[in-house]
Amino acid sequence: DQQVKQNSPSLSVQEGRISILNCDYTNSMFDYFLWYKKYPAEGPTFLISISSIKDKNEDGRFTVFLNKSAKHLSLHIVPSQPGDSAVYFCAASQANYGGSQGNLIFGKGTKLSVKP
Amino acid sequence: DAGITQSPRHKVTETGTPVTLRCHQTENHRYMYWYRQDPGHGLRLIHYSYGVKDTDKGEVSDGYSVSRSKTEDFLLTLESATSSQTSVYFCAISRLAGAYEQYFGPGTRLTVT
Repeated sequence: DQQVKQNSPSLSVQEGRISILNCDYTNSMFDYFLWYKKYPAEGPTFLISISSIKDKNEDGRFTVFLNKSAKHLSLHIVPSQPGDSAVYFCAASQANYGGSQGNLIFGKGTKLSVKP
Repeated sequence: DAGITQSPRHKVTETGTPVTLRCHQTENHRYMYWYRQDPGHGLRLIHYSYGVKDTDKGEVSDGYSVSRSKTEDFLLTLESATSSQTSVYFCAISRLAGAYEQYFGPGTRLTVT
């Protein structure tokens, strides 16, 4: 069973507009969430994270929102730029439990295309 | 950028041959991970290490073994490669487990013919 789901395989957005990438999770024990960005032929790079004690975390153009009751998080990119075109992975862990439960569980990714 | 290198970056091998992929870090981080990335599956954890000679299995460990004799090196071995192990393999490191981000290497593209 898939514990972290990114239901949209792809998303296309116009430059300057907002990109919203969504992620759902099923394990209520997850308490730490991350977003990674991946360009072709490169490793994933960490983008932004959020702890379950917060409902929002902002870093420049990137904001992550967490809705624990809905088991849903989203990544907002404002304004979107062509250089943001990449695959975005959502990941989750049980950070406070240690051991193997602290390992990251990744979604399948969403490919974002930002058109000039 | 985190100091992580992977070697080789590309490899083509035949079914049934042994293959070893190497991950090297210069960050002295305790935790190291091996993932594989396949279309439609995202990133899946193969094995991880929480210290020298301390390793454990991940989600998709069958057909893989690992070793970590030094803090800086984490080796992934396919004892007898199969076509289903054709994939892109990523190494990652983390200073601590849990609420800390992992930093990824550039990846190794492995093709098993």
